[in-house]
Amino acid sequence: GAGVSQSPSNKVTEKGKDVELRCDPISGHTALYWYRQSLGQGLEFLIYFQGNSAPDKSGLPSDRFSAERTGGSVSTLTIQRTQQEDSAVYLCASSPTVNTEAFFGQGTRLTVV
Amino acid sequence: AQTVTQSQPEMSVQEAETVTLSCTYDTSENNYYLFWYKQPPSRQMILVIRQEAYKQQNATENRFSVNFQKAAKSFSLKISDSQLGDTAMYFCAFMKYGGATNKLIFGTGTLLAVQP
Repeated sequence: GAGVSQSPSNKVTEKGKDVELRCDPISGHTALYWYRQSLGQGLEFLIYFQGNSAPDKSGLPSDRFSAERTGGSVSTLTIQRTQQEDSAVYLCASSPTVNTEAFFGQGTRLTVV
Repeated sequence: AQTVTQSQPEMSVQEAETVTLSCTYDTSENNYYLFWYKQPPSRQMILVIRQEAYKQQNATENRFSVNFQKAAKSFSLKISDSQLGDTAMYFCAFMKYGGATNKLIFGTGTLLAVQP
């Protein structure tokens, strides 16, 4: 597709369950970012990929959070043993290289009940 | 560490009028970018305008312009001839130039309502 695609659009899960959020970046974009937007908050950086490697994971809030990227394309953000405080919109963005504009997807709204 | 502050949680403007959204930031870097992003109810972040810190000239994009004051670390967004479609959350963001990550540091946003 032409833009960054994220799935699912919305996800409701029970506390303690694992969830996977998917991001399809714009074709050819080498940089990929995950951000979290909690209610009433700005966007919080989680992790950055350059190709398949993640040189900056400093924003991941706990070891329950992990992410991978395969083939320099699709990325998956996994949250294990979800907690209510994980409820948020998770946004993915990609850019052609570093130092260029980031293009965002529409996000996944995660609700932990 | 860099921080971005948006002191106006909500603003309202009449259609066709002009509104200015404020943003201040703190950094010790000399080379960086500043951005304004718009987030409508669809949730997708849309780039409105960007400014390179080394450029003295303020960026403009049609009805959108910025007032970039590097010494004061201020980066306000002016929207002229406001339209109903401008109703959205607006985020100011900072990005260090040449960093290893190029992650964006966002403010907490300003909710703009354009009234008919």
